[in-house]
Amino acid sequence: EAGVTQFPSHSVIEKGQTVTLRCDPISGHDNLYWYRRVMGKEIKFLLHFVKESKQDESGMPNNRFLAERTGGTYSTLKVQPAELEDSGVYFCASSGGRLGTQYFGPGTRLLVL
Amino acid sequence: GEDVEQSLFPSVREGDSSVINCTYTDSSSTYLYWYKQEPGAGLQLLTYIFSNMDMKQDQRLTVLLNKKDKHLSLRIADTQTGDSAIYFCAEPNNQAGTALIFGKGTTLSVSS
Repeated sequence: EAGVTQFPSHSVIEKGQTVTLRCDPISGHDNLYWYRRVMGKEIKFLLHFVKESKQDESGMPNNRFLAERTGGTYSTLKVQPAELEDSGVYFCASSGGRLGTQYFGPGTRLLVL
Repeated sequence: GEDVEQSLFPSVREGDSSVINCTYTDSSSTYLYWYKQEPGAGLQLLTYIFSNMDMKQDQRLTVLLNKKDKHLSLRIADTQTGDSAIYFCAEPNNQAGTALIFGKGTTLSVSS
């Protein structure tokens, strides 16, 4: 069974540009989460989808971040415009039930110059 | 708000035992997790423990849970160089949804 996959693995962009990260959850998992770890800090929750609906987006830092999960399968996280402080590793996770164990993808390493 | 704290850890020699400690704040957490992040890799679920357990053993891994003190520890027996990684403990954010709250991570360096 394929695990959670994320694309791209790395992205280097300039401040002010737009970047879109993609996450493909484990097949059949209704719950999809986005987290990020900025340099030297904790892994922080961003938002949670149940199927295509945003269940909890309390961790989204500001309106430069937009997450979608059309059709309830893969999800995208767009940062527009990117700022220097957005640099970090963005993780996606999925789980099969509300209290199910979350399985993480390899992360996307974003560097904003 | 919740805060998960983790101990710092010095380097250990191959074959020694390693212990990583974690203090969590929400006593209502049903599960507590340990994740491992190897260099350049993603987060790998290492093990988890139900809150009604005091101890869980899984091969070289032993998880101890002290609910009274809200203390969680991970013991790795016969530590190998492949165990070098960052270890994160995590608990569910029981106040809001099912998001995980992570500790800052403990870097384990194993020397041969």
